[in-house]
Amino acid sequence: GENVEQHPSTLSVQEGDSAVIKCTYSDSASNYFPWYKQELGKRPQLIIDIRSNVGEKKDQRIAVTLNKTAKHFSLHITETQPEDSAVYFCAASNTGGGADGLTFGKGTHLIIQP
Amino acid sequence: DAMVIQNPRYQVTQFGKPVTLSCSQTLNHNVMYWYQQKSSQAPKLLFHYYDKDFNNEADTPDNFQSRRPNTSFCFLDIRSPGLGDAAMYLCATRDREGDIQYFGAGTRLSVL
Repeated sequence: GENVEQHPSTLSVQEGDSAVIKCTYSDSASNYFPWYKQELGKRPQLIIDIRSNVGEKKDQRIAVTLNKTAKHFSLHITETQPEDSAVYFCAASNTGGGADGLTFGKGTHLIIQP
Repeated sequence: DAMVIQNPRYQVTQFGKPVTLSCSQTLNHNVMYWYQQKSSQAPKLLFHYYDKDFNNEADTPDNFQSRRPNTSFCFLDIRSPGLGDAAMYLCATRDREGDIQYFGAGTRLSVL
């Protein structure tokens, strides 16, 4: 089965600086890579996703890059703000042939220092 | 408007007492998933339905069962809850033609 590794487990950055979270996956059949933001006690909230036929995607301050050859993908948040503080999860799945669920990384606790 | 609804939001049960969590959706999605998320951990897939076809993850304990009587509803049954089953249980749906999973707000289960 799929295995997703996520680093770092905790990331503290100054407000206004950039944050980068990295993930690797093991199953070359995975073709869909979402990123979720989860605040305490709430559901995971999709913030950006990327499919395997795309190398990079950007949405305002958030961007994701994917390297299929190396099987890794990264989340980039620029101009961080206090409301960006949360736990971020990367995930991978194969949505092509069936209904595989998401395999999540262990999460990164992002702390934005004012 | 909520599209994936989980009830109840909070559930307290006693050790060994069966409990059922419910999930309903207004999206008419083919696929429904149940995830377990323990404190400070990532969500972990328990099982999913592709239409009526049930797919169990290999490491999901037999204590966990599921039912999907129709497209809109899916239930998670925990036959004999143990202290280790205390967690947030998340339901999600996906259209067969799409990639995005839509999560419900979750049910937080406490076992006393």
